[in-house]
Amino acid sequence: DVKVTQSSRYLVKRTGEKVFLECVQDMDHENMFWYRQDPGLGLRLIYFSYDVKMKEKGDIPEGYSVSREKKERFSLILESASTNQTSMYLCASSPWGSSGVYGYTFGSGTRLTVV
Amino acid sequence: SQKIEQNSEALNIQEGKTATLTCNYTNYSPAYLQWYRQDPGRGPVFLLLIRENEKEKRKERLKVTFDTTLKQSLFHITASQPADSATYLCALWGGNNRKLIWGLGTSLAVNP
Repeated sequence: DVKVTQSSRYLVKRTGEKVFLECVQDMDHENMFWYRQDPGLGLRLIYFSYDVKMKEKGDIPEGYSVSREKKERFSLILESASTNQTSMYLCASSPWGSSGVYGYTFGSGTRLTVV
Repeated sequence: SQKIEQNSEALNIQEGKTATLTCNYTNYSPAYLQWYRQDPGRGPVFLLLIRENEKEKRKERLKVTFDTTLKQSLFHITASQPADSATYLCALWGGNNRKLIWGLGTSLAVNP
């Protein structure tokens, strides 16, 4: 069964900490995505990557950075966590090419609370 | 701006009935439309994809229609079961930016 695995289901961090969220997929997918999901705001794209070492900003990249050193791993970094970054973070992947042709495979999500 | 609207109110139906969820869009010409299921506290799960030149797609008890004139997709679950209770999201793709545009989802509750 194909999988996208996120390193933590729940995380509590302090304001100002540097936070790393890890995502690994075993499907050899080229495209990987990081979203956050908040009630009433839906899924918002933070960053995406369509190849190793490539990244593109999504709709809300401020306060975040990403790293993709290997094809199967896409990391999201909160440079200095703030309370407004408390959210559900979802990683997804899809095969290369027209990403609209293929459904996305999502991880189970990381519920991050910044205190 | 591009906009996707799904029924904001939760849909409650009786077990065995057909559930119909709506996805409307404006200022957009999607090439593909996707439907996902999301359970509380979990990531969305891909269900079905329909192309702009397809009017209807079926998968087991699921049926999706796509009307590019009305700018609307309908998602049907026939013979609904309590296990179908979840939030259902639609997403559109139709450009070169490699991004899906997501609706906010509709919550479905199937009562025994």
